Amino acid sequence: DADVTQTPRNRITKTGKRIMLECSQTKGHDRMYWYRQDPGLGLRLIYYSFDVKDINKGEISDGYSVSRQAQAKFSLSLESAIPNQTALYFCATSDKGKDYNEQFFGPGTRLTVL
Amino acid sequence: DQQVKQNSPSLSVQEGRISILNCDYTNSMFDYFLWYKKYPAEGPTFLISISSIKDKNEDGRFTVFLNKSAKHLSLHIVPSQPGDSAVYFCAATTGGAGNMLTFGGGTRLMVKP
Repeated sequence: DADVTQTPRNRITKTGKRIMLECSQTKGHDRMYWYRQDPGLGLRLIYYSFDVKDINKGEISDGYSVSRQAQAKFSLSLESAIPNQTALYFCATSDKGKDYNEQFFGPGTRLTVL
Repeated sequence: DQQVKQNSPSLSVQEGRISILNCDYTNSMFDYFLWYKKYPAEGPTFLISISSIKDKNEDGRFTVFLNKSAKHLSLHIVPSQPGDSAVYFCAATTGGAGNMLTFGGGTRLMVKP
């Protein structure tokens, strides 16, 4: 079984709709992250959470919100989706006990906003 | 402005030959570097890393070289295999488990049989 899972894997929606992407992990890690990938731009950090009560904005948080429902669950919401939020979204986790921030990624969610 | 850059969006090599993927960074505070590999429809997976106190780290067919003065690192794959065909991301961090990764734009490697 995958350690980091994301649902849905693919989603097509319309401008203005509210969308939630979900992430679950069985690695027991405290830290969780949401990234988006765009061609040529690599992965850019949207939000991150170091524990259930600690949520922080990343590089590109505008238009997004998150919820850390439990240590194992971290969801990303687009309150009113717009076409330039069309991208591949990844959830990741890391172990706070490590000296350096090696992250483990889920399989991604491909989101298309029409 | 991107602090980590991979200037070659794609690279094609013949099976058995060496693949060299390059990465440049601008932030002199970065002291740990990672390479991730990504196959289609999968998330990135960690491949190899290097600390700034070293100039080389080797793991099987994969070697990462770091040139701090040039703010440049490279990933060498020898010999290249068709299964190495993937997108490779370079990432950097200022260290400590609490510090974020900054990713490059990725290089798509195609290894031809």
